[in-house]
Amino acid sequence: GAGVSQTPSNKVTEKGKYVELRCDPISGHTALYWYRQSLGQGPEFLIYFQGTGAADDSGLPNDRFFAVRPEGSVSTLKIQRTERGDSAVYLCASSLMEQPISFGPGTRLTVL
Amino acid sequence: AQSVAQPEDQVNVAEGNPLTVKCTYSVSGNPYLFWYVQYPNRGLQFLLKYITGDNLVKGSYGFEAEFNKSQTSFHLKKPSALVSDSALYFCAVRDGHNFNKFYFGSGTKLNVKP
Repeated sequence: GAGVSQTPSNKVTEKGKYVELRCDPISGHTALYWYRQSLGQGPEFLIYFQGTGAADDSGLPNDRFFAVRPEGSVSTLKIQRTERGDSAVYLCASSLMEQPISFGPGTRLTVL
Repeated sequence: AQSVAQPEDQVNVAEGNPLTVKCTYSVSGNPYLFWYVQYPNRGLQFLLKYITGDNLVKGSYGFEAEFNKSQTSFHLKKPSALVSDSALYFCAVRDGHNFNKFYFGSGTKLNVKP
């Protein structure tokens, strides 16, 4: 079946701009996660949704980062006033109940 | 605090030889442990997990992992490596109090040479 999909696969933007990253989870998966992976590092937790609500946003680095999942399916990660330090691969994942989480291919964000 | 350590940035092994990728963890409560593999330009793929039960867990592609509670380790193993196993491997632990949060190690690059 279809896995987690993310768009765009690559995003290049200029410092100070606003970006949106989209995640389409596996159909029926109620849990959705955003992680960030910097070069040479493991994925770092950002936020977790159960249904439409953000159940845990403790990993968001600051208030420039925000994520929504208005209908309990597709999620959008929004980054305002991007900084060069935001450059990373942003990974989305989804799961059902307590099953292992399934990751998408990621969006590579480059802030110039 | 929950954490995972992968002490080796890189592991080199010849095809056909056994391989081990090391992982140690620190967790409050019962450990829920996972291994994921990442191929270039691909998402992380689940390999195997330990929740409870037998300390030797078998997973995808012939991989297995051994849970050792006294050493707080969860090393990934395979009896006979393939060139196609070359990839980046991540160990992860699920937060003992917040089941929705996973902590990942920094990854180990496995190079299998023909």
